[in-house]
Order: sequence, then structure tokens, then C-alpha cells
Amino acid sequence: DIQMTQSPSSLSASVGDRVTITCQASQDINNYLNWYQQKPGKAPKLLIYDASNLQTGVPSRFSGSGSGTDFTFTISSLQPEDIATYYCQQYHNLPYTFGQGTKLEI
Amino acid sequence: QVQLQESGPGLVKPSETLSLTCTVSGGSISNYYWSWIRQPPGKGLEWIGYIYYSGSTNYNPSLKSRITISVDTSKNQFSLKLTSVTAGDTAMYYCARGGSTCFNWGQGTLVTVSS
Repeated sequence: DIQMTQSPSSLSASVGDRVTITCQASQDINNYLNWYQQKPGKAPKLLIYDASNLQTGVPSRFSGSGSGTDFTFTISSLQPEDIATYYCQQYHNLPYTFGQGTKLEI
Repeated sequence: QVQLQESGPGLVKPSETLSLTCTVSGGSISNYYWSWIRQPPGKGLEWIGYIYYSGSTNYNPSLKSRITISVDTSKNQFSLKLTSVTAGDTAMYYCARGGSTCFNWGQGTLVTVSS
């Protein structure tokens, strides 16, 4: 199975900060990577697909980049409603696997 | 906007079979992939498997011997069966639209395995 390692595991930031989360795959996954946001007590929500494509309706302060084994997820200006846990997920190989999550706090 | 709703028992005894159904509304189940994902309490996400509306499936090998995902297009539903459950199968179970990428998710249903 492809292992997905997110960094950091938790992050404390202030409103307006630029926040960056990284995700590293244990092997080349091209750009077959998604990013999800999960707010407490809620289902995950797709934010970014194919590493850098913003899902319809998602605010433009969210962005993703990377290819191969190293990926970055960025919130350009943190808002209070962005408090959540963020997960990366690879779909290059079955079984699809998720990172362990990054818990974002203000 | 498609909506998904999981249903099924919230408590299952060890060694028994967990059975969940996902009802799709606001759109047809046809022409899409449909997935199951689970999340143990306080932990991360685990992909269980997906089914195409035609019935073709792919499962997580770690669960493959115990799971069956099926689809009923006449009811706009798809289902998950997980046999021989243990406490390790206690989790929030989510259904979602999509195979490799899950575009829409149900709210999830908590299944506890306990005697």
C-alpha cells in the first residue's frame, strides 16, 4: 500500500495567516491526490482534486500543488470557519489511502 | 445536488454481520461510482471499497475477504456487508459518490461492535 505522510499533525495559526500543510507519498503518485476538509462531527468535504484543481464552490483561498511524491495544501488567509482536520488521499494505486490528518486550530 | 443517507443498525455483536444501506436522492445512481469509507472514533479515514452502478467492484484487500458491496438501481441504493465483525470494526461509516475521488458524502452512521 502507498503510505501518505502529512506534516504537521497539528497546527495552530491566527486569522489571516497563510497556512501550509504538506503530504508525502511513499512512491510516485503523479498528480492523483485529493484534499479533504473535515469539521468536527461532520463528514469530510472535497476541496482539491487532481492535486491542484479547486472543487466547485470552494473558496479560492484554498489551493493545492505538487506532483510525484510531494504535495502542498495552502490556505492563503485563514478564516475562523477553516478550523478542521485536513486529509490528503492518493488514488494512484488501490487500495486508496489517506494521510493521518492535520488538525488546524486557531 | 445529490444527497446520500446511510442507514442500518448502530450496534452489532461480535462475529455477526454489519449491514448498511446508502440511499441516494436528488440524482440517479446510474453512471457513477459509489464508495464506502470508515473512520474509527478519534482516528483517520480508511477506504473500504467502491462499486460502479453496473455492479463492478473494488475492495480494500485488508477487508476483501469480509466485505460485499452491492447496488440496487431500482431503489437508488447501494449497500455494504461486513462479516465476522470485531471491536476493531467500530467506526463511523460514510457512503460517498465517486470512486477514486469522493465528491459528495453522507453524514455518516456510527456502528459499534459490542456484545
